Amino acid sequence: KQEVTQIPAALSVPEGENLVLNCSFTDSAIYNLQWFRQDPGKGLTSLLLIQSSQREQTSGRLNASLDKSSGRSTLYIAASQPGDSATYLCAVHNTGGFKTIFGAGTRLFVKA
Amino acid sequence: DTAVSQTPKYLVTQMGNDKSIKCEQNLGHDTMYWYKQDSKKFLKIMFSYNNKELIINETVPNRFSPKSPDKAHLNLHINSLELGDSAVYFCASSQPGTGVNSPLHFGNGTRLTVT
Repeated sequence: KQEVTQIPAALSVPEGENLVLNCSFTDSAIYNLQWFRQDPGKGLTSLLLIQSSQREQTSGRLNASLDKSSGRSTLYIAASQPGDSATYLCAVHNTGGFKTIFGAGTRLFVKA
Repeated sequence: DTAVSQTPKYLVTQMGNDKSIKCEQNLGHDTMYWYKQDSKKFLKIMFSYNNKELIINETVPNRFSPKSPDKAHLNLHINSLELGDSAVYFCASSQPGTGVNSPLHFGNGTRLTVT
């Protein structure tokens, strides 16, 4: 049974810092992995999708890596800004992508 | 151009009532989902439908009955509502299994409060 864990559960950093959010999963037989952002009271916004055959994806200040063999993914945020404050969720797609397991999320607060 | 839209946004009702949440996607995806986000913000899949057919049912009580009239719609009907059903329900869609990875696209959620 796939389990997804995110560390840390919460993180507070000053503006401008580079930071890393961690995601680990127990079953390496994944279809792909997706990082989301959720603002309070809002839906989920997709940030990056990494295929099982890929090692990383980049979008602007965001870089996500994937190491299937060790069951880990990281989301790197460069030069953090107060607008980055949100909950970041890691989601692992199994079973041809029909089933997605979410981590509990990392709540990020970037101080101005 | 809302990709995944669900209604209503808020739903407040009493225990024992029956209610429905509607979801529509205009992305042309074959697969739609319902997720439940509880008070601890943990997201858990409830149902997955592919081309109007049920693919995944994650041991959800049979008081919850999804209905997919066509692949662009997946509605959720809940009978005999209980206090523990209070949560935010998210609809999503994607196009998995085609060899081209499609991200999950989420609606903005329906906050259900059962009193």
